[in-house]
Amino acid sequence: EVQLVESGGGLVKPGGSLRLSCAASGFTFSSYSMNWVRQAPGKGLEWVSSISSSSSYIYYADSVKGRFTISRDNAKNSLYLQMNSLRAEDTAVYYCASSGSGSYPDYWGQGTLVTVSS
Amino acid sequence: NFMLTQPHSVSESPGKTVTISCTRSSGSIASNYVQWYQQRPGSAPTTVIYEDNQRPSGVPDRFSGSIDSSSNSASLTISGLKTEDEADYYCQSYDSSNPWVFGGGTKLTVL
Repeated sequence: EVQLVESGGGLVKPGGSLRLSCAASGFTFSSYSMNWVRQAPGKGLEWVSSISSSSSYIYYADSVKGRFTISRDNAKNSLYLQMNSLRAEDTAVYYCASSGSGSYPDYWGQGTLVTVSS
Repeated sequence: NFMLTQPHSVSESPGKTVTISCTRSSGSIASNYVQWYQQRPGSAPTTVIYEDNQRPSGVPDRFSGSIDSSSNSASLTISGLKTEDEADYYCQSYDSSNPWVFGGGTKLTVL
């Protein structure tokens, strides 16, 4: 059974930093692209960032470019999102999602809530 | 960049059929696969349709997907509506310049 478990969310002040993690199991992690998608309270889904299976290709939404860094450790079956210079508008539930094709999500984690507020 | 536009909400009675549309603003809807995700309140999204019209195992055949090039749109049809189908539904697609694009979501009410 595929499992994606996010952690690391919490309350942080504007301008602060947070590192999210996603632990994967039940599939060959090193063969899949991995992604972060967020959902602000009461809003829709927004793609944040993607990383290819070998980390050769990395993409960011314009809204987070230069502030967020995606990475992965295939030996640990883990995905990360380093979030710096956080803003109120970054407040959201952050989901990690696997993608076999790279073009769409296959499986989703349960999400971790990030709240940016003073 | 292209956008995917969905109706904000739809409602229908149990046992009936409902169709949710997803219109692509630029570029051909047929050029890139469209996926559909169901999200119940407080839960993560799950895939109900992938690659335009494919159902993951475990998704009932009451759910079907299609694309219409004439209207440049995709559709999710749910037949034999059940109260458990009440949820938000999101379409998603992509192209070479836009890794993942989601529609704004449609709230389905089964009343």
